[in-house]
Amino acid sequence: QQPVQSPQAVILREGEDAVINCSSSKALYSVHWYRQKHGEAPVFLMILLKGGEQKGHEKISASFNEKKQQSSLYLTASQLSYSGTYFCTYQEVNQAGTALIFGKGTTLSVSS
Amino acid sequence: NAGVTQTPKFQVLKTGQSMTLQCAQDMNHNSMYWYRQDPGMGLRLIYYSASEGTTDKGEVPNGYNVSRLNKREFSLRLESAAPSQTSVYFCASRGYLQGYGYTFGSGTRLTVV
Repeated sequence: QQPVQSPQAVILREGEDAVINCSSSKALYSVHWYRQKHGEAPVFLMILLKGGEQKGHEKISASFNEKKQQSSLYLTASQLSYSGTYFCTYQEVNQAGTALIFGKGTTLSVSS
Repeated sequence: NAGVTQTPKFQVLKTGQSMTLQCAQDMNHNSMYWYRQDPGMGLRLIYYSASEGTTDKGEVPNGYNVSRLNKREFSLRLESAAPSQTSVYFCASRGYLQGYGYTFGSGTRLTVV
């Protein structure tokens, strides 16, 4: 079952902030965030391994609440280069190994 | 350059034809994955291989087969292509160490007519 992301789309002007939320009906052991620009492959942003942990990448940070099975991505003082689709993913673990299950994505458009 | 290489980049097939999508990584990663991406659906897992010699089904395996030829290579085969398999296919790999994400290939855009 895919994680649920909200909102589906965000439109910003340079310098504005945004928050993308992600929730799962399954227990989360870790959360990955990826960004995909149009016509390109997804690129890894960060992984959160522990509940309540926050990590950062440039002016992009994220939090992970293991108990609530939720994660949020915070984009501060957005830049044109932040435009793209952001995916929340969680790792599904079974006897065969682990694999990432992707949300449907949040499209971020930043204009000048 | 180290990374994941997919071939071909573009392909048009007729319904019923077969083809194999190739993927190779040179990062000595154990795990490899095949995803498909359709508009508005995110990436959906087709098959994955946790290590050489093992494969397992993902969310949408029907109509596909895979082969983990060796540690570097993981191929995806469509035996009888259908229009519903029109999609962008991404291969990815992941190393053993925690804290590292997946590395994706540049994708194969497949159209089945």
